[in-house]
Amino acid sequence: AQSVTQLGSHVSVSEGALVLLRCNYSSSVPPYLFWYVQYPNQGLQLLLKYTTGATLVKGINGFEAEFKKSETSFHLTKPSAHMSDAAEYFCAVSEGSYNTDKLIFGTGTRLQVFP
Amino acid sequence: ETGVTQSPTHLIKTRGQQVTLRCSSQSGHNTVSWYQQALGQGPQFIFQYYREEENGRGNFPPRFSGLQFPNYSSELNVNALELDDSALYLCASSSDREGVSGANVLTFGAGSRLTVL
Repeated sequence: AQSVTQLGSHVSVSEGALVLLRCNYSSSVPPYLFWYVQYPNQGLQLLLKYTTGATLVKGINGFEAEFKKSETSFHLTKPSAHMSDAAEYFCAVSEGSYNTDKLIFGTGTRLQVFP
Repeated sequence: ETGVTQSPTHLIKTRGQQVTLRCSSQSGHNTVSWYQQALGQGPQFIFQYYREEENGRGNFPPRFSGLQFPNYSSELNVNALELDDSALYLCASSSDREGVSGANVLTFGAGSRLTVL
């Protein structure tokens, strides 16, 4: 069975500081991995995804994530936080290419950005 | 191109009632998935519809059912509502056709927030 663990339900950073949101996964097959962002009263928006190939994935809004198979991790980073980055972030895994619509989500990390 | 639209945005029901939630998929998308997001939790997969048939189901009882129509829009029906059904219900569409915007990636709507009293 697949699962996702997001370490830290809340993360607070100052504007301009590094953002690091942690995600570890468990999967019995080569996983597809995703990061989504959810702003208040909105649906989820895809930030980036890893399927195969290059392990460093660049997404929208300056975010990137690195797939580390040996550590079963897919942490999300951004070099410099902006106030507009304050939102809920979800890491998700799917059963590879078998069904990319059936995602297993983590419980989310709420990012706060202070001026 | 229009995104995924859901209706209603908010609704309140009482225990034992039935509810129908509606979803219009993004233009060009032929697959619809439904997710339940309880307060403070990540979304949970309910089921997926492809070619008007259920194509995968999560750990939800049969009182959760759905439909997909020829225009790829979809409905989620929940019978015999329970208090724990209170949640944000998210619809997401995708396409299995390469070259279509959003192929093999879920595009989510803003959700329908259901409160069961």
